[in-house]
Amino acid sequence: DAKTTQPNSMESNEEEPVHLPCNHSTISGTDYIHWYRQLPSQGPEYVIHGLTSNVNNRMASLAIAEDRKSSTLILHRATLRDAAVYYCILRGEAGSYQLTFGKGTKLSVIP
Amino acid sequence: SAVISQKPSRDICQRGTSLTIQCQVDSQVTMMFWYRQQPGQSLTLIATANQGSEATYESGFVIDKFPISRPNLTFSTLTVSNMSPEDSSIYLCSTARRAGASYEQYFGPGTRLTVT
Repeated sequence: DAKTTQPNSMESNEEEPVHLPCNHSTISGTDYIHWYRQLPSQGPEYVIHGLTSNVNNRMASLAIAEDRKSSTLILHRATLRDAAVYYCILRGEAGSYQLTFGKGTKLSVIP
Repeated sequence: SAVISQKPSRDICQRGTSLTIQCQVDSQVTMMFWYRQQPGQSLTLIATANQGSEATYESGFVIDKFPISRPNLTFSTLTVSNMSPEDSSIYLCSTARRAGASYEQYFGPGTRLTVT
């Protein structure tokens, strides 16, 4: 699987939007961009995924650059419950089904 | 979605002993995986649990140390054998389900193992 690069940590104020960046310059044409997060003392949970177009769901939005070499996970209003480690992961359609986790971005939310 | 439960949720074990962790999924699934998360680290895949055949291990993990069973499509076990303090980690069970043209992955709550 291609590699991703994320900042080690970020901070956000509560109720403000958060933009979590991810670089994936070696992404291939069939790689999906997945985001997972891991709340303290829990297993990871799925957040969102996309291929080329921007995606929205009830948890977040995913903005994908036109060249697909970077993406941004957007939390529209951060809450204290959003404090977690966020993982940006590439998954090839023809590749293995399991996920390969990097170090992720630790998001802290300040009340 | 898939709901995954694990037993035990945590344990403290003596070195040289073995611990078997159980994973139960609320519905039949094709793929089940076991991950390890060492303190302060990210997740590392141990193996894919295959139903009806031997598990597929990732580099650095061997069957003698981490034997895995998958007797049916909803259940798997991971044994951590001959434990040492370096095995102190969180062990997570996972499955993947089709989501459109890709897959979503679901994780259990983890088993926190401390080896003394």
